[in-house]
Amino acid sequence: DQQVKQNSPSLSVQEGRISILNCDYTNSMFDYFLWYKKYPAEGPTFLISISSIKDKNEDGRFTVFLNKSAKHLSLHIVPSQPGDSAVYFCAATEGNNAGNMLTFGGGTRLMVKP
Amino acid sequence: NAGVMQNPRHLVRRRGQEARLRCSPMKGHSHVYWYRQLPEEGLKFMVYLQKENIIDESGMPKERFSAEFPKEGPSILRIQQVVRGDSAAYFCASSPIALRYNEQFFGPGTRLTVL
Repeated sequence: DQQVKQNSPSLSVQEGRISILNCDYTNSMFDYFLWYKKYPAEGPTFLISISSIKDKNEDGRFTVFLNKSAKHLSLHIVPSQPGDSAVYFCAATEGNNAGNMLTFGGGTRLMVKP
Repeated sequence: NAGVMQNPRHLVRRRGQEARLRCSPMKGHSHVYWYRQLPEEGLKFMVYLQKENIIDESGMPKERFSAEFPKEGPSILRIQQVVRGDSAAYFCASSPIALRYNEQFFGPGTRLTVL
């Protein structure tokens, strides 16, 4: 039973264009969402997060949008750069869960072509 | 300030042997989480520990797997009598305090291969 889903296993984008990565969740108790970026043979690195009381959070080239009614969030990267090529994981957590256990999606591999 | 350290980075074991994975959290962090990533899948939570205490082990298989975080030294994830299905990347993460919305910092992972 996957509570967090990333339905696109891969995405290819031209350098300079926008990358949009999508994530859906089923557990209505999730109230905090995070995006992690992962290069091969490395651990995930935190990218950006959003609380359920917001619908948008922006940090430089990265913006996360949250649609609670649709249980959907997306990560926008603009402009995309070749160095953004990595696997992106969406994660979610419940506020009342001890220790901030993260539930991850399956990941989307982003390839940014020069 | 060193990040989360895990060793070994790669571990090869034969079926039936034991695997011991170590994790040293970031300095000042007293909360450790272990996640497992099977090939082509996302990370799955296994266990959450504080110093000398297991807080949540709901994601850990009931048999053969155990974890500890002693007062001194690294956190250890131990897998007894490994089977091929245990082959995966095991990631450790740490955070300074179990407050909501705290970012977890991940180590580079240990890639376990069971022959």
